Amino acid sequence: GAVVSQHPSRVICKSGTSVKIECRSLDFQATTMFWYRQFPKQSLMLMATSNEGSKATYEQGVEKDKFLINHASLTLSTLTVTSAHPEDSSFYICSARDFERGGDTQYFGPGTRLTVL
Amino acid sequence: QQQVKQSPQSLIVQKGGISIINCAYENTAFDYFPWYQQFPGKGPALLIAIRPDVSEKKEGRFTISFNKSAKQFSLHIMDSQPGDSATYFCAASLSGSARQLTFGSGTQLTVLP
Repeated sequence: GAVVSQHPSRVICKSGTSVKIECRSLDFQATTMFWYRQFPKQSLMLMATSNEGSKATYEQGVEKDKFLINHASLTLSTLTVTSAHPEDSSFYICSARDFERGGDTQYFGPGTRLTVL
Repeated sequence: QQQVKQSPQSLIVQKGGISIINCAYENTAFDYFPWYQQFPGKGPALLIAIRPDVSEKKEGRFTISFNKSAKQFSLHIMDSQPGDSATYFCAASLSGSARQLTFGSGTQLTVLP
């Protein structure tokens, strides 16, 4: 099946530092990847959609200078939380579309727990 | 119009029972309806998905029932097991280049042994 990995699985950082999260599609090429944020006991909130080789499209209310997204290859997208603050603490999840297998299904990574002290 | 409403918020079922989770949508342009299962601290995993040209799809103990005229779809988990205890999300997406998912609010299912 389609596998999406994320690294790191959890990260703790000090306020003001930047954190990079990687999302990889391991056995398929992902022309489109998505980044979500999830608070405890809540649904997934789409932050941005990224297409390989082009700029990400951010959802309303998501600061693009705060959450930098790069989709440099068909198997890798990165989310960088710049100058992180405690309110950025959350569960970040990426997903990827397998275009060759039909493209409708999004496969999710295992998530990254970010804690900003 | 982009919302997907999911109910109930939480559900407790005895082992061996049937779990039923319902979702409703407004946008008739939605054409793909997946269900995801999420365990604590993990990413969502695709369970089963349906398109509006069929009224029912079954995979093992999981069945989606789809009512196009009512703009509703539901997940039925037959012979529910304690290992099914998780949060379930319905979702919907539009055809197009992005295929962004609109998620329901989630249902926390607890299956008692």
